[in-house]
Amino acid sequence: DTAVSQTPKYLVTQMGNDKSIKCEQNLGHDTMYWYKQDSKKFLKIMFSYNNKELIINETVPNRFSPKSPDKAHLNLHINSLELGDSAVYFCASSPITSGGVNEQFFGPGTRLTVL
Amino acid sequence: QKEVEQDPGPLSVPEGAIVSLNCTYSNSAFQYFMWYRQYSRKGPELLMYTYSSGNKEDGRFTAQVDKSSKYISLFIRDSQPSDSATYLCAMSAGGTSYGKLTFGQGTILTVHP
Repeated sequence: DTAVSQTPKYLVTQMGNDKSIKCEQNLGHDTMYWYKQDSKKFLKIMFSYNNKELIINETVPNRFSPKSPDKAHLNLHINSLELGDSAVYFCASSPITSGGVNEQFFGPGTRLTVL
Repeated sequence: QKEVEQDPGPLSVPEGAIVSLNCTYSNSAFQYFMWYRQYSRKGPELLMYTYSSGNKEDGRFTAQVDKSSKYISLFIRDSQPSDSATYLCAMSAGGTSYGKLTFGQGTILTVHP
């Protein structure tokens, strides 16, 4: 059973288009995340949702809008795609913690290429 | 300057070598220090973590944290070709930060037979 799944795995699109990436986790976790990994492997958090509520919103352009219909799903919609949006986008989830280490479980990633 | 600095390598070693991977950081609030391993075309997975300063050993892997120097290390003994991956250090302040992790850039490691 896949713990954290993402669709699609690959996405190739033209500049200016709008696209969505979907994420689902079956681990029963309360918190979900979106990360962006650039070509140099640098992994940076974009958003975090806890039980459908936005918790972390890093400095991300307004063109990126996350949506969490329920705590098992976190989708990412991107408007007006730009060349610089090309990257691998990872979804992750973790159980809620009140202090302590927070192990995050990552999906396989969505490789987005903007032409 | 990034909060977490990690030499991206690449690092290439022969099988059986001892590998040392390192990160430095600037945020004194970090208390949890993690190492993630990422195989090619896969998502990162947690390898091991340490709370505050000290050492932790798990099989061939040893994690060390020196908070006074803001320096963490991961040692791999008797390295194997299957250890070839990108290793990312990650840190968090803990508490109610809902698990915000700050990652280093990742070190690409190749262990050749």
